[in-house]
Amino acid sequence: AQSVTQLGSHVSVSEGALVLLRCNYSSSVPPYLFWYVQYPNQGLQLLLKYTSAATLVKGINGFEAEFKKSETSFHLTKPSAHMSDAAEYFCAVTFSGNTPRVFGKGTRLSVIA
Amino acid sequence: DTGVSQDPRHKITKRGQNVTFRCDPISEHNRLYWYRQTLGQGPEFLTYFQNEAQLEKSRLLSDRFSAERPKGSFSTLEIQRTEQGDSAMYLCASSFPHGQLEVTDTQYFGPGTRLTVL
Repeated sequence: AQSVTQLGSHVSVSEGALVLLRCNYSSSVPPYLFWYVQYPNQGLQLLLKYTSAATLVKGINGFEAEFKKSETSFHLTKPSAHMSDAAEYFCAVTFSGNTPRVFGKGTRLSVIA
Repeated sequence: DTGVSQDPRHKITKRGQNVTFRCDPISEHNRLYWYRQTLGQGPEFLTYFQNEAQLEKSRLLSDRFSAERPKGSFSTLEIQRTEQGDSAMYLCASSFPHGQLEVTDTQYFGPGTRLTVL
């Protein structure tokens, strides 16, 4: 069955430091991958998605992710963390044929001043 | 674009009662999704509609759960005979996959309805 694993339920970085949130997927067929952000009391917002067009995907708010088939990974990065990046981040996967998206358990990002 | 709205935002009920949640999608969006999110977990897909047709409902958690979208606009999710295990955040999302693969369409999420079953 398709799944994603987010390594680290909580990540803490200093303001200005690199943000790295890890996501590994399990799949026997080509996946489509997503990163979402959820701020308190708000709905999920799409940061970026991989749809097989390019392995390095740039998203909103300075985030990007790289699809690495050999590592079955789709890690999310941002060169310099801002206080406003503090939120919950979710990785999700789906496949062709209108299969529903399967979400990871989320990683809470804290940014320390 | 007013975004996806959900009502109520919070619902507290006693075990055994029925509850109904409403979702109003973005106006031109023809697809509407329901998810459940429990504490410490990511959203879990429940069902979705294309216009008024419910295209996938096998993931609804039990026969106590049902959803409708009678006119292809707003949708309701009903839980009958609520149980304490139903306590969760219920999320609605909508999309209009113009120019996108439907499987990767951008879903816009509402703020959710938090259900507490006592």
